[in-house]
Amino acid sequence: GEDVEQSLFLSVREGDSSVINCTYTDSSSTYLYWYKQEPGAGLQLLTYIFSNMDMKQDQRLTVLLNKKDKHLSLRIADTQTGDSAIYFCAETHNTDKLIFGTGTRLQVFP
Amino acid sequence: DTGVSQDPRHKITKRGQNVTFRCDPISEHNRLYWYRQTLGQGPEFLTYFQNEAQLEKSRLLSDRFSAERPKGSFSTLEIQRTEQGDSAMYLCASSLARDNTEAFFGQGTRLTVV
Repeated sequence: GEDVEQSLFLSVREGDSSVINCTYTDSSSTYLYWYKQEPGAGLQLLTYIFSNMDMKQDQRLTVLLNKKDKHLSLRIADTQTGDSAIYFCAETHNTDKLIFGTGTRLQVFP
Repeated sequence: DTGVSQDPRHKITKRGQNVTFRCDPISEHNRLYWYRQTLGQGPEFLTYFQNEAQLEKSRLLSDRFSAERPKGSFSTLEIQRTEQGDSAMYLCASSLARDNTEAFFGQGTRLTVV
């Protein structure tokens, strides 16, 4: 089945690390993504990971994938106020369409 | 080319009216997708084109919805006899090829049916 779940809300202090979690159910997923959506804006691709990888790092972003548990996480180091947004994880497999989670609203306070 | 553009950005319509949205993908992107996003939810897939061929349609796409991409470039999404439940953000995305993992999204068209 196709179901991607995320916690709804995360609040962190500026300068701390943020960890946003996601679980998915489709074991045939080939790529897993993290998108960022700011108010009134479209979706911005932050990073993605291929399903045969465990970890991917891109500047302040670290993606961890536990395929056995179907768990994906996004760590943002040194979180800034500009990181405040809604973060969506998404998966895709054979058809290329993206299956999105419900989104996690990240609030960064000073 | 500044990215995926959608028109209009906002549309308010009365229930029962027809509306049409346009999406201009990034040049040379052969894949084009439509998604719908309601408040507090993630985007949901509606339909997908490769060039001018519509390859997949979601069960969410009732017979009141029709999408076209006549020349394999821009696409239109029409909703006939709009209902209040159609109120949502309609997002368009494009990508280059099967192995290209990046789908670029437009800013969306926000539809409000009153």
